[in-house]
Amino acid sequence: GEDVEQSLFLSVREGDSSVINCTYTDSSSTYLYWYKQEPGAGLQLLTYIFSNMDMKQDQRLTVLLNKKDKHLSLRIADTQTGDSAIYFCAEKAYGGGSQGNLIFGKGTKLSVKP
Amino acid sequence: EPEVTQTPSHQVTQMGQEVILRCVPISNHLYFYWYRQILGQKVEFLVSFYNNEISEKSEIFDDQFSVERPDGSNFTLKIRSTKLEDSAMYFCASSERLVGNQPQHFGDGTRLSIL
Repeated sequence: GEDVEQSLFLSVREGDSSVINCTYTDSSSTYLYWYKQEPGAGLQLLTYIFSNMDMKQDQRLTVLLNKKDKHLSLRIADTQTGDSAIYFCAEKAYGGGSQGNLIFGKGTKLSVKP
Repeated sequence: EPEVTQTPSHQVTQMGQEVILRCVPISNHLYFYWYRQILGQKVEFLVSFYNNEISEKSEIFDDQFSVERPDGSNFTLKIRSTKLEDSAMYFCASSERLVGNQPQHFGDGTRLSIL
């Protein structure tokens, strides 16, 4: 079945760029999402990309997709302390009986040091 | 901006008791979901719901679980005879449509603690 993997921790200094990586297994066309979870809060949708795209930019966020390697990354430019959170990569599952539920990674905890 | 709301934020229940988790999806959304996250583990899909019936459910969603849309606004998850391993954060989500890029919007979750 589908699986999504992420590294668990990332620490950067304020003002640097952060790059959070994710790999997925579904070979069919799909949507891939990045969600942010701040302490005690829910999952906030940050951005998404369709699997026929290579890149998407949205202000400080850049999503890169390597479909051949099934590798997705989220780059946060000029990282701020307010960006400290857990970032989840998620894949929309289709096929095999799935009708669009999300498959999540374990989340990457981003720590931003002043 | 419209949002998904969940109540309560934290529920403590004795093992064996029934619990109902409540959600108010975004008003024009048609598809509703429940996910759970056991501490330290992945967010896992439980069930999706459309047109007053279950669209899809995972292996986790066994006879212990049920969902209901009792009125035009609420969407509930009932867990009968709770077990210690049901302790988790439960997230409700909703989306306008199922296919294409209609992202799922999540609530802040209900932390369920089974004693």
